[in-house]
Amino acid sequence: QKEVEQDPGPLSVPEGAIVSLNCTYSNSAFQYFMWYRQYSRKGPELLMYTYSSGNKEDGRFTAQVDKSSKYISLFIRDSQPSDSATYLCAMSGGTSYGKLTFGQGTILTVHP
Amino acid sequence: DVKVTQSSRYLVKRTGEKVFLECVQDMDHENMFWYRQDPGLGLRLIYFSYDVKMKEKGDIPEGYSVSREKKERFSLILESASTNQTSMYLCASSEDGGRNTQYFGPGTRLTVL
Repeated sequence: QKEVEQDPGPLSVPEGAIVSLNCTYSNSAFQYFMWYRQYSRKGPELLMYTYSSGNKEDGRFTAQVDKSSKYISLFIRDSQPSDSATYLCAMSGGTSYGKLTFGQGTILTVHP
Repeated sequence: DVKVTQSSRYLVKRTGEKVFLECVQDMDHENMFWYRQDPGLGLRLIYFSYDVKMKEKGDIPEGYSVSREKKERFSLILESASTNQTSMYLCASSEDGGRNTQYFGPGTRLTVL
């Protein structure tokens, strides 16, 4: 079983929809949680960062962490075609040298 | 803003050639990483380095080596390229300690014929 599980999709939604992306993990030592967005043929860019449990909001994006359930989510409100990308969850904790463990990525398409 | 640059966006090489991929970061980060990304397999860590001249194997080091002679520069070397090394190669850097947030370069799409 993988340390981090992420549904690869693909996920296709209409413009304006609320999108929910999720990851589950098994390592209880994880305490830093990130979401990266990767456009086609580009490198991943950091979208959201959360430490430990709780919510964090940034514009149309909300990241949630539930450490008791080992479950993290990214919500996108009022989705736009420009949100079409691959979304990767990543996490770390209890490891050295800043290594991250990534999910497989979810491919999202928002159609007009 | 953190900037991570990679020497080439696209590269085409022949089987058996020695290939150098270079990565430079401008934020004085201690840690640097090389990944490859393939459809259905996600990001896989090849090598990482936590200091100058230091290197550690990642999950798939076979067929690769690395060099870090200066803090800002981390090179990935394919000693004898093979077709199964055709992939997207991504470099990343992060500062030591704390949140471990990694910053990625734009990637190099390598095709080995």
